[in-house]
Amino acid sequence: AQSVTQPDIHITVSEGASLELRCNYSYGATPYLFWYVQSPGQGLQLLLKYFSGDTLVQGIKGFEAEFKRSQSSFNLRKPSVHWSDAAEYFCAVASGTYKYIFGTGTRLKVLA
Amino acid sequence: DAGVTQSPTHLIKTRGQHVTLRCSPISGHKSVSWYQQVLGQGPQFIFQYYEKEERGRGNFPDRFSARQFPNYSSELNVNALLLGDSALYLCASSLETGASNQPQHFGDGTRLSIL
Repeated sequence: AQSVTQPDIHITVSEGASLELRCNYSYGATPYLFWYVQSPGQGLQLLLKYFSGDTLVQGIKGFEAEFKRSQSSFNLRKPSVHWSDAAEYFCAVASGTYKYIFGTGTRLKVLA
Repeated sequence: DAGVTQSPTHLIKTRGQHVTLRCSPISGHKSVSWYQQVLGQGPQFIFQYYEKEERGRGNFPDRFSARQFPNYSSELNVNALLLGDSALYLCASSLETGASNQPQHFGDGTRLSIL
């Protein structure tokens, strides 16, 4: 069965430090992968997507993610975190033709 | 351009009641999906509609139903509300059906509380 695992429930980093959020997926075919961010009380905003081609994808707000098929991973990175990046981050895989399967999310806290 | 809009933003109901949630997709988007997000969890897929037809259904009871109108807006209906239905209900739209190459864009959700 398709699934997405985000191993870290909470992550705390200092402002200006680098960030990596982990995502592992289980999917039989070529996956289509996404990262979304959710601020408190709000919906999901698409950060970036991977469909095919270059395995390093650039997104909005300075985020990037790298697809590694051999590790079934799609980790999200940012070289320097800003206080406004504090939010919850969700990794998702497109399953079949109509639905996304989401991980349980990683809540990011940024220390001043 | 307006994004996905959902109404109402918040709603309080009691057990056994019925609720209708509404969603207007991004202009030009023909596909609407509904997700339930329980506190502390990721969104769970409920339905997808495209051109007024149901294209996919998640593992939810028959108390949950939805429809899509000719203008591509959509309603999610939940009957016989249970305490466990308390959640953020998210609507997402995409250009066409077929999630594989069509990113879904989400609204801010409707927060449903069941007393």
